[in-house]
Amino acid sequence: EVQLLESGGGLAQPGGSLRLSCAASGFTFSAYGMNWVRQAPGKGLEWVSAISSTGANTHYADSVTGRFTISRDDSKNTLFLQMNSLRAEDTATYYCAKMDYSSGQRVAFDIWGQGTMVTVFS
Amino acid sequence: DIQLTQSPSFLSASVGDRVTITCRASQGFGSYLAWYQQKPGKAPKLLISAASTFQSGVPSRFSGSGSGTDFTLTINSLQPEDFATYYCQQLNTFPLTFGGGTKVEIK
Repeated sequence: EVQLLESGGGLAQPGGSLRLSCAASGFTFSAYGMNWVRQAPGKGLEWVSAISSTGANTHYADSVTGRFTISRDDSKNTLFLQMNSLRAEDTATYYCAKMDYSSGQRVAFDIWGQGTMVTVFS
Repeated sequence: DIQLTQSPSFLSASVGDRVTITCRASQGFGSYLAWYQQKPGKAPKLLISAASTFQSGVPSRFSGSGSGTDFTLTINSLQPEDFATYYCQQLNTFPLTFGGGTKVEIK
């Protein structure tokens, strides 16, 4: 079964750090780009970050650039999001999502994890 | 950045109705657009990729169309399990933006 399972969410103080993990199974993890998407309580979806299949290319939303770092460990089929300098507005459920392609072009996020909640409060 | 504007943001419909949701982009980008369904407390579920490609297991009452700047998601004969929030997303250019969502509720 194709599956993504996030972990690492929890409570953090403003200025603090958290590291999210996303364990992948059921597909060849190293062949796919991966993403993090977040959703603040009662709000819509916000794309956060992406990493290419090789890990050579990373992209970030302006709201997290310089504070968050995406990475991957293909030997462990795991995606990470290191979140530093956390702010109250980072409070959200964080989802990891697998990139889907057609003829080499990104076309969708076809597999999503169940999400992990991050709460930043003082 | 490519901005996506969904309309309406909320709609009330009855079982059996035909529903159309629109997603308009601030600049054209071909057909690299996806549609997702999200139910409360659950992760989004992919319905349509590349503007009009069905995903395996998605009922045929869902269809997508459009290219460039204007896209639509149509649900023919709305079923009770279709009451949810729907999002469009462009995958042409980073940042990979989402529309604001359309909540479909029971009339």
